[in-house]
This record gives sequence, structure tokens and C-alpha cells, in this order.
Amino acid sequence: DTEVTQTPKHLVMGMTNKKSLKCEQHMGHRAMYWYKQKAKKPPELMFVYSYEKLSINESVPSRFSPECPNSSLLNLHLHALQPEDSALYLCASSPLTVQPYGYTFGSGTRLTVV
Amino acid sequence: DAKTTQPPSMDCAEGRAANLPCNHSTISGNEYVYWYRQIHSQGPQYIIHGLKNNETNEMASLIITEDRKSSTLILPHATLRDTAVYYCIVRALNSGGSNYKLTFGKGTLLTVNP
Repeated sequence: DTEVTQTPKHLVMGMTNKKSLKCEQHMGHRAMYWYKQKAKKPPELMFVYSYEKLSINESVPSRFSPECPNSSLLNLHLHALQPEDSALYLCASSPLTVQPYGYTFGSGTRLTVV
Repeated sequence: DAKTTQPPSMDCAEGRAANLPCNHSTISGNEYVYWYRQIHSQGPQYIIHGLKNNETNEMASLIITEDRKSSTLILPHATLRDTAVYYCIVRALNSGGSNYKLTFGKGTLLTVNP
């Protein structure tokens, strides 16, 4: 298995809702990442997990809450989002070795906040 | 991460070679050059990376100048499916094996024309 799987592919939520995005990989990668991408912009890093522990938080608002329950899963819990949070949310993974491997990205979850 | 400069857009005829330039004049000795691409509405896809030497894989070739201040990604026979935004990124990989974050710039929109 050489893929990163993200679910759901599309999500519409209200500003008072609580929802979660899910990311899964079975490549044995020990680093996982969340990126946010607005239309016509490059992806922006949100969070980095190394060995299931949060290692980088790029000053992301607390309404976004990441969770890494095990080495294969990464969740992003969403609460009280704003319409400007509508974007494509991308998950990625990579090995943590001395070799400079590239990241493997999922196809993303397209989130619309209404 | 060192910054990179890429042209915002390029055109290429189908079947011809596409040569995408990237300037990274402030690159450090331990930083690799990575190339990713993103086809519309999909997640980024890793293409190739290099440190000093030229590299080739089944997708592309990477030519790095001797002073490492610039590089060129070559798609030898471009097809319509190669139309995408191409990102050139420089990133360090420390001796401990930890991956530094991958930061995307604006990239080059390559349009392959019939």
C-alpha cells in the first residue's frame, strides 16, 4: 500500500458543528502532516507529527485540533469554524530516516463552512 | 528553508521537452532540491530530488548547476496530463534523520498544449 487515504473527500459544515477529518497510511511512515490550501494558493503547513507526537504547530487557531492515535492514523478535529476556513485540507506522510524521501500526499478533503 | 524563485507560468507543446527552471541562490550545503507537482484539485505529487548530482527517474530529470544556485526539472516528452503547478522546494535533512518541514512557494503553472 503506497497511498495516503483521506476521508471524507467533501465536507460541508455549519459554524456551530463539530466534525473530524481522517487520514490513514500503511507505509510505515512515522511522520505525518496536515496542510491547508486555499484556492489558487500553495499548500500551507499546519501541523507535523513525529512518532505520534506533535512536533510543529504553525500557530494554528485552537478551533483546529490534531490527533495522532497511532502510527497509521491522523485526525483533524474541527469546531466552531469560520467561513474563511473553507479550503482543501491535505494530509501527508513521510519516513523518518536519514534518507531524504519525499512526502506522500493524500487527495485531500474539500471543506466548506457555511 | 531557503527561498526559491520560479516563473509563474510556462507553456509547452505536447510531445516536446518541458524545462522548468528554479533559482535557489541562498541554498545551504545540506539542503536538497525537491520537485513536486499538483494537478488541479489533487494532492501534491513528489517527482524527484537531488543534492549535487543530476538525477533521473521514470518521471523526470533534475539538473543542478555546479554552484547549486539553480536547477532545472526536465519532463522529456510532455503530455496533456503533465499540465499542473510544479513546485521547487529546498529542504535540509539533518544528520539525526529528522525531516524539516516542507514549505511550498508559488510554483510554476505548466500548461501542455495539443
